[in-house]
Amino acid sequence: DQQVKQNSPSLSVQEGRISILNCDYTNSMFDYFLWYKKYPAEGPTFLISISSIKDKNEDGRFTVFLNKSAKHLSLHIVPSQPGDSAVYFCAASARGFGNEKLTFGTGTRLTIIP
Amino acid sequence: NAGVTQTPKFRVLKTGQSMTLLCAQDMNHEYMYWYRQDPGMGLRLIHYSVGEGTTAKGEVPDGYNVSRLKKQNFLLGLESAAPSQTSVYFCASTKQGLNEQFFGPGTRLTVL
Repeated sequence: DQQVKQNSPSLSVQEGRISILNCDYTNSMFDYFLWYKKYPAEGPTFLISISSIKDKNEDGRFTVFLNKSAKHLSLHIVPSQPGDSAVYFCAASARGFGNEKLTFGTGTRLTIIP
Repeated sequence: NAGVTQTPKFRVLKTGQSMTLLCAQDMNHEYMYWYRQDPGMGLRLIHYSVGEGTTAKGEVPDGYNVSRLKKQNFLLGLESAAPSQTSVYFCASTKQGLNEQFFGPGTRLTVL
């Protein structure tokens, strides 16, 4: 049972345009969400996060939106740059319930076309 | 600070052989995790530890054992390797109360 789903395995976006990566979850106990970025042959690195008490969090070119009623979050990258080409993982936790674990989605490979 | 380091970076085993993967962190983190990454499957939690001397099962624990004898180290063991354990293994750590996990560079394991 996949509790965190990233339904788009890949996405190609022109340099300078907006990249939108989507993530859906099924577990209503999830109250904290994170995005990780992964380059080939490297470990994932933390990108941005959002608590369930917010619906938006912004950090430079990266913005995460959370729609709790739809159990959906998205990552917006504006403007997209070639260095953004990577695999992006969505993750969720139920930290308010004392859960120390993250549940990851299957990832979306983003390719920025110069 | 080296962060999270993993040893070895690559390994090839024959079916039935055993090996231990070492994870070390120098950030004084309480929590440590072992994941495997397979194509189309994302990152799946194998085992984790919330402190020295404690371990717990994750989503896919079968065929693996772990030990956390020291706070800074988390070992992942394969007693009898199987081709299904061919994967990239990642170790991660975090501080109690912090959700963000810090990952190592990974170990690519091939079981023939």
